[in-house]
Amino acid sequence: AQSVTQLGSHVSVSEGALVLLRCNYSSSVPPYLFWYVQYPNQGLQLLLKYTTGATLVKGINGFEAEFKKSETSFHLTKPSAHMSDAAEYFCAASWTSGSRLTFGEGTQLTVNP
Amino acid sequence: IAGITQAPTSQILAAGRRMTLRCTQDMRHNAMYWYRQDLGLGLRLIHYSNTAGTTGKGEVPDGYSVSRANTDDFPLTLASAVPSQTSVYFCASSDSHLDTQYFGPGTRLTVL
Repeated sequence: AQSVTQLGSHVSVSEGALVLLRCNYSSSVPPYLFWYVQYPNQGLQLLLKYTTGATLVKGINGFEAEFKKSETSFHLTKPSAHMSDAAEYFCAASWTSGSRLTFGEGTQLTVNP
Repeated sequence: IAGITQAPTSQILAAGRRMTLRCTQDMRHNAMYWYRQDLGLGLRLIHYSNTAGTTGKGEVPDGYSVSRANTDDFPLTLASAVPSQTSVYFCASSDSHLDTQYFGPGTRLTVL
């Protein structure tokens, strides 16, 4: 079955440190891939998405992600964490016609001063 | 432009009661979705609609029903609520099922 896995339900970094949130998908067919962010008591907002073309995708708020087909991964990174980045992050995938978004379990990012 | 609105914001409901969660979008998107969010499980799709007049079952449809009489509205009904339906419910919409989904603010439902 097609699935999305996020490694680490909680990630803690210091302000100014590198942020790395991991996402892997399980499928022989590469999907469309998305990262969403959810701030407390709010809905989800799109950070970035990969459909086709360039495998390094830049999103809002300084985040970027790289699609690696050989590793079936779509890890999210940001060079320098800011306090305002504290939130929950969801990786999601959509496969061929007729399928819907499948979400990972989410990763709660804490940024320490 | 409001985007997606959901009502109510939160609700406490007695088990066995009927409840309808409302969702309205003003972006003229074709596709709409209902998810539930539970700790450690991420978001799971309940029902979806690719276009007005059609609906489909998602990953966890049991105990829920939907209708899509027009483009803008996509209500979710719990015919007889049970405690396991305690969750945060999100409505979303997109131009098509492969496009970016835009989410509403959510409804926090507690079934006692």
